[in-house]
Amino acid sequence: GNSVTQMEGPVTLSEEAFLTINCTYTATGYPSLFWYVQYPGEGLQLLLKATKADDKGSNKGFEATYRKETTSFHLEKGSVQVSDSAVYFCALSKLFQGAQKLVFGQGTRLTINP
Amino acid sequence: GAGVSQSPSNKVTEKGKDVELRCDPISGHTALYWYRQRLGQGLEFLIYFQGNSAPDKSGLPSDRFSAERTGESVSTLTIQRTQQEDSAVYLCASSSGAWNTEAFFGQGTRLTVV
Repeated sequence: GNSVTQMEGPVTLSEEAFLTINCTYTATGYPSLFWYVQYPGEGLQLLLKATKADDKGSNKGFEATYRKETTSFHLEKGSVQVSDSAVYFCALSKLFQGAQKLVFGQGTRLTINP
Repeated sequence: GAGVSQSPSNKVTEKGKDVELRCDPISGHTALYWYRQRLGQGLEFLIYFQGNSAPDKSGLPSDRFSAERTGESVSTLTIQRTQQEDSAVYLCASSSGAWNTEAFFGQGTRLTVV
């Protein structure tokens, strides 16, 4: 079946550190891939997405590249800020019985210390 | 509407009682999703709708859980004979249903079973 696996958290970094959160997926065909973010006390919101192989999604300094050969969509940021502290969810979207099914990973809690 | 609306925002109920959680999706969105998020954990898929049909009900934890959608709009998640392990935040999301589009989330209903 379709599934998403994220690196286990929590992840704690100092401000200005380089960030990588790993995400791999299992799916037949060509799903769309997403990163969602949940800031403290807020609802989930889309951070970035990529809809085909080798596409790079980017937003707010974050980037992720759709790698079909390694079935991965790792999230990266060159220099994190305290305001990036949140829970990050990797997700895939695939047509299932004619409808879009959205499957999430378990989430990775990120804490950035000043 | 402007966004996905869920009600109530908080619900405290006694063990054994039935509860109904409501979701109003963004107008025109054909796909609607229900997820459960236990404290400090990831998103657990429950059920999703395309129009008024539910192609995949595999995530419903037990036969105490049911959901329906009418008029390709409002959805209700019903939990019968609530148990303490049902305590969680129940999240609803909607999307246009296309395979490469994002889902928009509501703020969730925090259910506490005492």
